Amino acid sequence: DIVMTQSPDSLALSLGERATINCKSSQSVLYRSNNKNYLAWYQQKPGQPPKLLIYWASTRESGVPDRFSGSGSGTDFTLTINTLQAEDVALYYCHQYYTTPYTFGQGTMLEIK
Amino acid sequence: EVQLVESGGGQVQPGGSLRLSCAVSGFTVNTKYMSWVRQAPGKGLEWVSVIDTSGSTYYAASVKGRFTISRDNSKNTLSLQMNSLRAEDTAVYHCVRGPANQWPIDYWGQGTLVTVSS
Repeated sequence: DIVMTQSPDSLALSLGERATINCKSSQSVLYRSNNKNYLAWYQQKPGQPPKLLIYWASTRESGVPDRFSGSGSGTDFTLTINTLQAEDVALYYCHQYYTTPYTFGQGTMLEIK
Repeated sequence: EVQLVESGGGQVQPGGSLRLSCAVSGFTVNTKYMSWVRQAPGKGLEWVSVIDTSGSTYYAASVKGRFTISRDNSKNTLSLQMNSLRAEDTAVYHCVRGPANQWPIDYWGQGTLVTVSS
């Protein structure tokens, strides 16, 4: 199974700061035939299901603010949230859909200081 | 508009069975890969099972042999038959669209709570 490890487990920042969340997979999730990383990021707020933010490691889902960006390839990935807003307080998960069993990171809790 | 609405959750004793359903609207269930993803109380996300457009099914090791995913094209629904339930199966079960090859999970239902307890 591909193990997804996120860091940090939690993050407390001030409004307007930049948040950086890392995700490492135990094996590459880069599909060489199309050069796409099968890696997505989700945001989950209390009492709600997760919401897709980023897929293919760096493609923003329609309607997601451009302060959210993703980067990385192979086994190392980053979700960056620029100019932190109050509404960004949530749990964030990375997810590999390269192969079954599909797996998620353990989650990173983002809070406002 | 895509909507996924789960039903069928509840409390069941260890060793019991439960069948979850997901009413799908906005697309035809047999034209997309569909999965179940669960979240134990206060815990992270765990993929459970997927059915692809050809009807092939795949399962997490933790549920293989106990859970069965299926779809009803005439009713446009997705189901999860859960047998031999254990305390560790307690979770909110989400019906989701995807993942499918290069495409991620893009829609989630609100989920239905399954509690396995005596």
